Amino acid sequence: QQQVKQSPQSLIVQKGGISIINCAYENTAFDYFPWYQQFPGKGPALLIAIRPDVSEKKEGRFTISFNKSAKQFSLHIMDSQPGDSATYFCAASGWGKFQFGAGTQVVVTP
Amino acid sequence: NAGVTQTPKFQVLKTGQSMTLQCAQDMNHEYMSWYRQDPGMGLRLIHYSVGAGITDQGEVPNGYNVSRSTTEDFPLRLLSAAPSQTSVYFCASSYSWGTGGTGELFFGEGSRLTVL
Repeated sequence: QQQVKQSPQSLIVQKGGISIINCAYENTAFDYFPWYQQFPGKGPALLIAIRPDVSEKKEGRFTISFNKSAKQFSLHIMDSQPGDSATYFCAASGWGKFQFGAGTQVVVTP
Repeated sequence: NAGVTQTPKFQVLKTGQSMTLQCAQDMNHEYMSWYRQDPGMGLRLIHYSVGAGITDQGEVPNGYNVSRSTTEDFPLRLLSAAPSQTSVYFCASSYSWGTGGTGELFFGEGSRLTVL
């Protein structure tokens, strides 16, 4: 069973809208929480990451919100663009082992 | 700077055949790992290595072998291919690992394997 649960499976958003993807984890030993972006036919690439000592991290249009007590974190994509259409994976990591969520396919319509 | 290079990109095998997926990185990363990606399952860790001569099992190791004789290379061997091993395989490396030091994973472009 997956230790990192990701929702929703898919998401359609209009250009300029906000995309929100949620993840929940179980293992409190995890100490690194990255989000990866994957385009068709390519490997995942790091988008943004957070450590549990902060509650929010923003990089451009992408923001991670982190709730340590609830063991949840989320990715917000502001002002979504067609170029953001991709699959997004959350992950949780500790001591060399990454646990990935099942992925969210985001489609941004023009 | 090539990053993480995987070969082959595509492979079709018959049940029972063996093969090796190659992975090489030129970033002098200590940490290397293999994942399989299946629809609705995300990325699942098969095996990983924290340095030359050191390997360990991940979440789904059965049917796969690895070795790490050099820092650069981390091949994945399928001993006797089964249809359940049809998947896209990704190799990934990182400059660090461990509590407080887990760093960015750099992924290759993947190897798509079909077992008939």
